[in-house]
Amino acid sequence: QVQLVDSGGGVVQPGKSLTLSCAASGFSFGSFGIHWVRQAPGKGLEWVTVIRYDGSQQDYTDSVKGRFTISRDNSKNTAYLQMNDLRAEDSAVYYCARDFWNGPARYFDYWGRGTQVTVSS
Amino acid sequence: EIVLTQSPGTLSLSPGERATLSCRASQSVNRNYLVWYQQKPGQAPRLLIYGASTRATGIPDRFSASGSGTDFTLTISRLEPEDFAVYYCQQHGGSYTFGQGTKLEIK
Repeated sequence: QVQLVDSGGGVVQPGKSLTLSCAASGFSFGSFGIHWVRQAPGKGLEWVTVIRYDGSQQDYTDSVKGRFTISRDNSKNTAYLQMNDLRAEDSAVYYCARDFWNGPARYFDYWGRGTQVTVSS
Repeated sequence: EIVLTQSPGTLSLSPGERATLSCRASQSVNRNYLVWYQQKPGQAPRLLIYGASTRATGIPDRFSASGSGTDFTLTISRLEPEDFAVYYCQQHGGSYTFGQGTKLEIK
């Protein structure tokens, strides 16, 4: 069955770096784009970034441009989110999600369980 | 950037009642790119509806959705105890913005 396992979260000081991983199984990983979505404590969902199925294109929300980098290794069925210069406002649960096209429709059909990132001194 | 505004922020209803949730966009959204998710505490979001009105696999038919342009609606015909959760709309036109969510709570 399709599974996404996100990991790598933790407590980190402001200005430091952290790398999250999203390990996929149960499907042809190299055929699907992957998104990261975050949720600050008690808040709603915020889209963060996406990487195309082949890694050739990425997009980011404005607040993380220049600090976060999404990448993938299709040979390892894993996507990554490298987060640099972390700020308190980056504290959130980070979810990876699969990008699915169904004819003209598009949506996030499978999600990881989330990994907590806390930025605090 | 398209902004999605959901209303009401909180909806208090009893099991068996009908729930109507609204999602209004700041500009027209291609209905193929309008999605609804359900999220329960401590869980990842779950896909409910895609293409503005198509139920995802395994979603009960008490969930229905409609809309076009800037106004979209999610309806739950008869609330079951497991339906009390937070519901988000999302659009994929250009960026991938979410609404702020509607919390459906037990009255």
